[in-house]
Amino acid sequence: DTAVSQTPKYLVTQMGNDKSIKCEQNLGHDTMYWYKQDSKKFLKIMFSYNNKELIINETVPNRFSPKSPDKAHLNLHINSLELGDSAVYFCASAGTSFEQFFGPGTRLTVL
Amino acid sequence: GQSLEQPSEVTAVEGAIVQINCTYQTSGFYGLSWYQQHDGGAPTFLSYNALDGLEETGRFSSFLSRSDSYGYLLLQELQMKDSASYFCAVRDDGNNRLAFGKGNQVVVIP
Repeated sequence: DTAVSQTPKYLVTQMGNDKSIKCEQNLGHDTMYWYKQDSKKFLKIMFSYNNKELIINETVPNRFSPKSPDKAHLNLHINSLELGDSAVYFCASAGTSFEQFFGPGTRLTVL
Repeated sequence: GQSLEQPSEVTAVEGAIVQINCTYQTSGFYGLSWYQQHDGGAPTFLSYNALDGLEETGRFSSFLSRSDSYGYLLLQELQMKDSASYFCAVRDDGNNRLAFGKGNQVVVIP
């Protein structure tokens, strides 16, 4: 039944490690997004893909690399993790309407 | 640059009415959305205004004035479950890119 799912829900790791977060949507949407929400709840777009093509690429360190193997999946790989990467990462998807459907979030803690 | 201004927190009693304002300054404008987020949860869509005027959806209404770069979300007949953060978000390009405001925490008390 889950519309947009993310794994893992929690991720605790050491500085310098590489980690990935996976996202899947079963809504048949063409567009998917990655957002970062910081400790002050500020929500900022990072990337967006439309039907596997990158369409939005905000000013994000190139340690962050999204990958979309198909239009139902958008993964986020982060290299050389830093303390400042600690945040909640949300995946979202959208179809032809303006509503974006958010996943449950992945809380990343870098120690 | 872009900015969306929202006041930070409001406390209100059950049954009351709360208005959350949003002023924006963005490079493009296609519409204004509102999202609700409970603590520990994901943002969920409430409403979208592309044209000036009031949109009503049950107890919640959203208003837009493009000439004033201003909108508001009106929460009526407040219930405890309405305690959450509320974000305005401008759709600022044709790719459905959303620029979010800092959010407004609403606390409903008995």
